[in-house]
Parts: sequence; structure tokens; C-alpha cells
Amino acid sequence: AQSVTQLDSHVSVSEGTPVLLRCNYSSSYSPSLFWYVQHPNKGLQLLLKYTSAATLVKGINGFEAEFKKSETSFHLTKPSAHMSDAAEYFCVVGNQGGKLIFGQGTELSVKP
Amino acid sequence: NAGVTQTPKFRVLKTGQSMTLLCAQDMNHEYMYWYRQDPGMGLRLIHYSVGEGTTAKGEVPDGYNVSRLKKQNFLLGLESAAPSQTSVYFCASGWDAGRVNSYNEQFFGPGTRLTVL
Repeated sequence: AQSVTQLDSHVSVSEGTPVLLRCNYSSSYSPSLFWYVQHPNKGLQLLLKYTSAATLVKGINGFEAEFKKSETSFHLTKPSAHMSDAAEYFCVVGNQGGKLIFGQGTELSVKP
Repeated sequence: NAGVTQTPKFRVLKTGQSMTLLCAQDMNHEYMYWYRQDPGMGLRLIHYSVGEGTTAKGEVPDGYNVSRLKKQNFLLGLESAAPSQTSVYFCASGWDAGRVNSYNEQFFGPGTRLTVL
């Protein structure tokens, strides 16, 4: 069975400082992994996806994530936070049957 | 392309009323999904479909029914709404999981905010 755990329910950073959102996954085979972002009262937007082509994945808006098989992690990072990054972020693992398993979400706050 | 659209965007029901949520996609995707989102719980799969005329249960199917009469549409029905069904509902679509380069990626609609009083 697959599962995904987002290690922080809430992260707060100051504008201009780095962002780190942590995600661990469990899968019996090489998974597809995603990060989605949801701004308040909006739908889900795909930030980036891991598909085994490269372990360091670059996404939109300056975000990137690194797939580490030995640590079963897929942490999301950004060098410098912007106020517009304040949102909820979901780490997601895809299974072979076409389904997605969502983490519980990490709310990112950005202070001026 | 409109992508994935959902109708309606908002709805308030009284306990016991029924309603249908409509999802439409114009990407010719085989798979379609209905999720509900509740605070602190991420998204949970209600029902899904792997092709026209097929449906299957997800993680939280009780109290919901679905139909996929046309490839581009996926309907979610609540026969007798309960306050526990107050939630935000998202529809998604994606390629056949066995298709090369599908990677299980799903494309989401904007959501329907449902309140059951």
C-alpha cells in the first residue's frame, strides 16, 4: 500500500527567506510524485511532478523538489519566499491504478 | 480548451434534499474522479471512472452515486444530503494509467462548495 506523510501541518517563513516543506512517502515500487498548491478558495494547481527522469525536479514559480529514494522523501523547496506563495501545499503519490493519494497538506504563511 | 469545469460553484442544501454535481472535461481523458476536501484531511477519493459507462468506489463512497454516460462528463449525486456531506468537491480527469507518459497526473476542476444545513 502507498501512503504519504507531510511532516508539518503549518510552516511560517519571512519574505525573502528559504522555504522547506517536507514530505515522506511509502511505496512498494517507483512512484510518481507530485506537489500541488491551493490558494485560498481556489482549485489545485500542479507545481511539479517526479516521473523518474531526474531526481531534482523544477516546477513553476521557482519551486523545486528532490526525490531521495534512500530517504523516501520528496521535499519541496524555494530559495526565497514571496508573499504570493502563502497557500496550502499538498504532496501526492500516484499509484499504478491511476489513483492519487494525498497528504494532509501544509499551510505556508509568509510574513512581510 | 476549458480543461475541467464543474457546475455549480456553490450550493446550499437542506438535510434530505438531493442534488447532482456535474463535471466536464475537454481533454479526451479516459479517467475521471470525484474528491471531497475537508480541513486537515487533504483530498479523499469518493468515486472514479476508468472509462465511459464504468464507475468504481473510492475511499469514501457512502452517500454518493456517480454516472459516466459520456466520456467527457462525470456526475456526482447526493440522494439524501446530510450535514456530514458539507465539503468542497473537486472533480479531476487524467489519462489511462497504463498509457505511456501518463504518470498518473490528474487535472483538477475549480471545485464546488456545498453546505448542507
